[in-house]
Amino acid sequence: DTAVSQTPKYLVTQMGNDKSIKCEQNLGHDTMYWYKQDSKKFLKIMFSYNNKELIINETVPNRFSPKSPDKAHLNLHINSLELGDSAVYFCASSLRGQGASRGYTFGSGTRLTVV
Amino acid sequence: AQSVSQHNHHVILSEAASLELGCNYSYGGTVNLFWYVQYPGQHLQLLLKYFSGDPLVKGIKGFEAEFIKSKFSFNLRKPSVQWSDTAEYFCAVNAGSNYQLIWGAGTKLIIKP
Repeated sequence: DTAVSQTPKYLVTQMGNDKSIKCEQNLGHDTMYWYKQDSKKFLKIMFSYNNKELIINETVPNRFSPKSPDKAHLNLHINSLELGDSAVYFCASSLRGQGASRGYTFGSGTRLTVV
Repeated sequence: AQSVSQHNHHVILSEAASLELGCNYSYGGTVNLFWYVQYPGQHLQLLLKYFSGDPLVKGIKGFEAEFIKSKFSFNLRKPSVQWSDTAEYFCAVNAGSNYQLIWGAGTKLIIKP
């Protein structure tokens, strides 16, 4: 039933490891996003895909690589994890150009802790 | 369960009108509070935030919000709106030790020129 689901919800890993976070939406939206929320709670967009095409790619390290196999999925792979990568990562989806009134929906977040 | 409610899904105002968007949350402990704005075709941007201290916080573009703890509210205000304020506004709350945000459903604000 969940509209935008992210897995895992919590992820604890060691520095240097490679990890992936998955996101899926069943709303029929055509645009998906990854946001990073740091320890000060600021939410910053990382990537956005529209119909599997990258449309927003903010300045993030090359270690972060999004992958969108279809418009209902947007995964985030992170190589060589660093302590500073610890944050909560939010997936979201929408119909492009539209927002809350038409279904801008966030996932519940993935809390990544790098030790 | 923790929740955030925004009272209006759609608000239509004329330019120069005063604005107040309501936001209420359900959580009895310490909270961090945020308003985000999303302009048409753009991603979310932080408008203002409250962590502690003065409950009246000022943000960008003339917006302000007041945290009233007794009412569990964090309403967004602007004394005189402009056409460029047309956007969607999201209230969000970080509650307790859970670092995840709880989001309101959003309010679509339309300003008539």
